[in-house]
Amino acid sequence: SQKIEQNSEALNIQEGKTATLTCNYTNYSPAYLQWYRQDPGRGPVFLLLIRENEKEKRKERLKVTFDTTLKQSLFHITASQPADSATYLCALDNSGNTPLVFGKGTRLSVIA
Amino acid sequence: GAVVSQHPSWVICKSGTSVKIECRSLDFQATTMFWYRQFPKQSLMLMATSNEGSKATYEQGVEKDKFLINHASLTLSTLTVTSAHPEDSSFYICSARDSRTSSYNEQFFGPGTRLTVL
Repeated sequence: SQKIEQNSEALNIQEGKTATLTCNYTNYSPAYLQWYRQDPGRGPVFLLLIRENEKEKRKERLKVTFDTTLKQSLFHITASQPADSATYLCALDNSGNTPLVFGKGTRLSVIA
Repeated sequence: GAVVSQHPSWVICKSGTSVKIECRSLDFQATTMFWYRQFPKQSLMLMATSNEGSKATYEQGVEKDKFLINHASLTLSTLTVTSAHPEDSSFYICSARDSRTSSYNEQFFGPGTRLTVL
């Protein structure tokens, strides 16, 4: 069966450092992989999407990589700030009208 | 950007009553809407997918007679939790997409509805 894992349930990091979150999947060949941010008591907010034929995508302080051989995506936040503290979800996307498959998320805490 | 609203943002009800949650796409037409449930510290679990004008497709283990979904227009979907019980207490989130304009599964999420059943 399809499985998606975000390796760390929680990650604490010092302000200014780079946070790296991992998303691994099995038994799946997604056309895209998406990353979302979710704050407590709120719905997810879309951050970045990367296609299967893209190695890397950047948006401001965010960087996502996608290795279809390793079946892994890495999500980086550079120069992290306390305001970056949230839960980050990765989601597998096979395009069309098939539903997204979400990981459990990694709760990031950036400590000042 | 596309905005999806949910109403109410939170609701408390007595066991045995029914609760309706609305999901609206405010500035785009949602050909497809998804309903998710999220328990504390858990991932979003898809409950059902609904296409405008069609019956919803429910995920395995989700009772369609208990969770009634209506997607009668391109901007509104409703989820009714019938005869709610305390175990139905959860955070319900909808998302919407316009499959006509996006090749990838671009979904816009609502802010969620916290349901507490006493």
